[in-house]
Amino acid sequence: EDQVTQSPEALRLQEGESSSLNCSYTVSGLRGLFWYRQDPGKGPEFLFTLYSAGEEKEKERLKATLTKKESFLHITAPKPEDSATYLCAVQAWGNEKLTFGTGTRLTIIP
Amino acid sequence: DAGVTQSPTHLIKTRGQQVTLRCSPKSGHDTVSWYQQALGQGPQFIFQYYEEEERQRGNFPDRFSGHQFPNYSSELNVNALLLGDSALYLCASSVSSGTDTQYFGPGTRLTVL
Repeated sequence: EDQVTQSPEALRLQEGESSSLNCSYTVSGLRGLFWYRQDPGKGPEFLFTLYSAGEEKEKERLKATLTKKESFLHITAPKPEDSATYLCAVQAWGNEKLTFGTGTRLTIIP
Repeated sequence: DAGVTQSPTHLIKTRGQQVTLRCSPKSGHDTVSWYQQALGQGPQFIFQYYEEEERQRGNFPDRFSGHQFPNYSSELNVNALLLGDSALYLCASSVSSGTDTQYFGPGTRLTVL
């Protein structure tokens, strides 16, 4: 069965202090790995899709990378508006569902 | 370009009642998936609809059922509500022949008393 583990559960950073969030996964044939951002009480907002090991994608202060066992979401010089829960999900070949981790709750302190 | 929309925003029901939640997919999308998200957890897959048929189902009891209409909109029905059904219900839409990225709506917060 597909599994996703995210660490840390929660992370507090000072504004401008860069860091990385981890997503470890096991899946029977990776079709795609997805990163979402979720604000309290709202639906997840799509950030990135990664398909193969070695792939990287960037958007503003965020960069996602992928290996055969894990993905990292790097946050460079974060701002308070980057505070949110970041969710990682995987999709296997032959499968329509996304399997999610429990997320990392990121707080950026001004 | 309208994103995924869901209604209602909030709903309060009592145990044993039935509820219907609604979802309109993003423009150009033909596939709708439903997820349940308990507080502090990641979303859990309920089922996916494509061409008005249930294409895949997660580990949820038969009390959870759905429907997709010819305009691709969808409904999620839950019968005989339990306290444990209290959660944020998320709808996600995608294109069956596209990159498979699922885009989520704002969710419906269901509280069962």
